[in-house]
Amino acid sequence: QKEVEQDPGPLSVPEGAIVSLNCTYSNSAFQYFMWYRQYSRKGPELLMYTYSSGNKEDGRFTAQVDKSSKYISLFIRDSQPSDSATYLCAMRDQGAQKLVFGQGTRLTINP
Amino acid sequence: NAGVMQNPRHLVRRRGQEARLRCSPMKGHSHVYWYRQLPEEGLKFMVYLQKENIIDESGMPKERFSAEFPKEGPSILRIQQVVRGDSAAYFCASSLSAAQTGELFFGEGSRLTVL
Repeated sequence: QKEVEQDPGPLSVPEGAIVSLNCTYSNSAFQYFMWYRQYSRKGPELLMYTYSSGNKEDGRFTAQVDKSSKYISLFIRDSQPSDSATYLCAMRDQGAQKLVFGQGTRLTINP
Repeated sequence: NAGVMQNPRHLVRRRGQEARLRCSPMKGHSHVYWYRQLPEEGLKFMVYLQKENIIDESGMPKERFSAEFPKEGPSILRIQQVVRGDSAAYFCASSLSAAQTGELFFGEGSRLTVL
């Protein structure tokens, strides 16, 4: 069993839709949770960074962490074609320097 | 302010040859991380280095792979006697300090193809 599970998709939605991306994990020591966006043939770029449980909002993006369920989510409101990319969740435990990534979900927003 | 620079962007090697991948971190960053991404998979941690020191190499294969981050110059990931299974995208990332590990800035990657 992988430490971090993420549905690879692909996920295709119409422009303007709300997108929900999710990851589950098995290591209860994980404390820091991140979402990265990766365009084709590019490096990942950090979108959201949260510590422990709770919600964090940044513009059209909302990250949620539910540590009791070992489940994290990223919501994208008013999705745009420019949001089409692969979204990777990542996490680490306190004191660790390495991130553990999910497989990534390939998202396409159709105009 | 230049981001993380990796070169070469694309590298083709035959089985048994050596591959050298270079990474210059963002200006002011002294923490460097290497990750490998196989097709249709997420990134897998390989090694974490600070200037002149390897801090964590738990994700790096024991044989054929080595990494360094000298006092002067870029970090180098070296793969000796490459095999087809080494074909992947290798990403370098840097951070300002260890406490900000989550805020990694990634380069555009070096794509290694082994024939």
